[in-house]
Amino acid sequence: SQKIEQNSEALNIQEGKTATLTCNYTNYSPAYLQWYRQDPGRGPVFLLLIRENEKEKRKERLKVTFDTTLKQSLFHITASQPADSATYLCALDGDTDKLIFGTGTRLQVFP
Amino acid sequence: DGGITQSPKYLFRKEGQNVTLSCEQNLNHDAMYWYRQDPGQGLRLIYYSQIVNDFQKGDIAEGYSVSREKKESFPLTVTSAQKNPTAFYLCASSIGTGDLLNTEAFFGQGTRLTVV
Repeated sequence: SQKIEQNSEALNIQEGKTATLTCNYTNYSPAYLQWYRQDPGRGPVFLLLIRENEKEKRKERLKVTFDTTLKQSLFHITASQPADSATYLCALDGDTDKLIFGTGTRLQVFP
Repeated sequence: DGGITQSPKYLFRKEGQNVTLSCEQNLNHDAMYWYRQDPGQGLRLIYYSQIVNDFQKGDIAEGYSVSREKKESFPLTVTSAQKNPTAFYLCASSIGTGDLLNTEAFFGQGTRLTVV
């Protein structure tokens, strides 16, 4: 079955630096990959989608890359701010048209 | 306001009881999903539905049941057969599946179920 791996350890960075989160997947070749933000006690909120034929996608301070050879996506937040502190989840389209999620990585940006 | 609504936000259940979690969307989405989230873990798929009157089991369907009689509604019943039901439950919807499943999922605010 498809497996998605995200670093379970929290990422702590200083304000203004670039945060980089990793999402690795196995046993599948997804047509696209999505990134979501989740705040405590809330539902995830969609951030970005990148398709298999796209290498990179940007939205304001966010950048996502997709390497189908390495089976990996990187999620970058440039000029990070304390308000960016949250858990970030990656998701991909599994077989039989279902959306499956990784375990998420908690990001803490300190002043 | 268009969106997806889950109710209640908090729910307490006695052991041995069935309980139903509500999920309603007015986004005209065909696909709907139920996920379970335990502390420090990701979202695990319970059931999903691609169209009215049809649904499929996810990875952890045992002890749960769903129905999809209307496009806008996808209630989840946690039955007494679910051995460890205490968790945070999230409902989501998206425009569609197959080739259309390349759009984002919209989530409700979640229901926190506690067995007492």
